[in-house]
Order: sequence, then structure tokens, then C-alpha cells
Amino acid sequence: KNEVEQSPQNLTAQEGEFITINCSYSVGISALHWLQQHPGGGIVSLFMLSSGKKKHGRLIATINIQEKHSSLHITASHPRDSAVYICAVRRGAQKLVFGQGTRLTINP
Amino acid sequence: EAGVAQSPRYKIIEKRQSVAFWCNPISGHATLYWYQQILGQGPKLLIQFQNNGVVDDSQLPKDRFSAERLKGVDSTLKIQPAKLEDSAVYLCASSKEWDNEQFFGPGTRLTVL
Repeated sequence: KNEVEQSPQNLTAQEGEFITINCSYSVGISALHWLQQHPGGGIVSLFMLSSGKKKHGRLIATINIQEKHSSLHITASHPRDSAVYICAVRRGAQKLVFGQGTRLTINP
Repeated sequence: EAGVAQSPRYKIIEKRQSVAFWCNPISGHATLYWYQQILGQGPKLLIQFQNNGVVDDSQLPKDRFSAERLKGVDSTLKIQPAKLEDSAVYLCASSKEWDNEQFFGPGTRLTVL
């Protein structure tokens, strides 16, 4: 079992739909990151969180430390949101461990 | 603020050849990372520098990969000799400190034939 599991692996939705991507991890962590990777490889950091909830525009990230689970939500999805979304966790001072990513496609 | 710069963007070589990648992090960022991302997988840390010292190189195949950050700014990653399984995107990232948000460069896509 991977240390970081994301679901679903692939997600296709229509423009305007509410999107949820899940991330589960198996060990205690000091921080969790959500990243976005567009075709061509560039990675952008969306959120870094260790508790509660963060919001930026149409993106919301939540984390439940007790359940070792985080979700990334996108409201009013748009085709430009199409990308791979990656969850990564850090244990203490150790390196980030990345999930395999969720490929999101938003159709107009 | 300029982002993380990497070059080249693309490289095609034959197996057993050598290749080098260059990274210039965001000014003032003490921590620099090199990641390998194989198609369909998440990034895997190869090496992490704190200024010019190595913090973690546990997943660096040291028989063929080497990296340096001599002046604590730019960094180079070298593969010698390359194998087919080294085909991947090599990502450089930097952060102010090890526990801060990481900023990624555009990556170098390496194809080994």
C-alpha cells in the first residue's frame, strides 16, 4: 500500500460541476500539500495545510488529522481547471512523499 | 519575482551517454530540490540541498547520478552513463526553508533511446 493514496485516479466532469479529489495517508504528518500540474510538466503549489481548511478563489482544501484524510474541492469548475492534482505529505522534517495524482478533465 | 529556472527544457540522448541539467532557484531560497517524475507517477525526491550542503540524497542512484550546489545558489544534476529507465521529467524546486511552500521550475524532459 502506498503511503499516500489519491482517489479517483481519473475524473471527467462538465463545466460548472463541484469537484472533490481525495487524499488518504497512512502515517502521522506535519504538513500536507496540494499541487497542480498542467500538461507540459509545470507544477504549482496550491495549498500547504496542517489542520482545518484553506480557501483560495474557487479552491478549498480540508484536512482531518484524526482520519488521515484530506480533500480538495473545486467549485464552479472550468475547462482551465483541467490538470493533474497531486497530494504530498511531510512527516516531521522528512522529505515530501507524493501521491500518484488525479487527472481532472473538465468538458465545456 | 522570477521563478525557478531550468535548462534545457528537453533533451534526447542515447543510452550510456552523459547529460547535465541546470537549475537556478528563486533568489534567497535556501533549500533546493531535484525530483524525478516518471510518466504517470508523482515526483520522487532525488536530492535536497540546504544552502550548499546535502540534506537528503537517499534516493539518488549514486553510481550514475551526481548533483552539486557549490555556491549555495545554482545547482547541476548529472547522469553518467544514462540508462533507458532514466527517461523522465527532472524537476527542480526551491523553498525559503525546508518546511515552506515549494516553488517548481518547468522541468527538463529527458528521453533516453
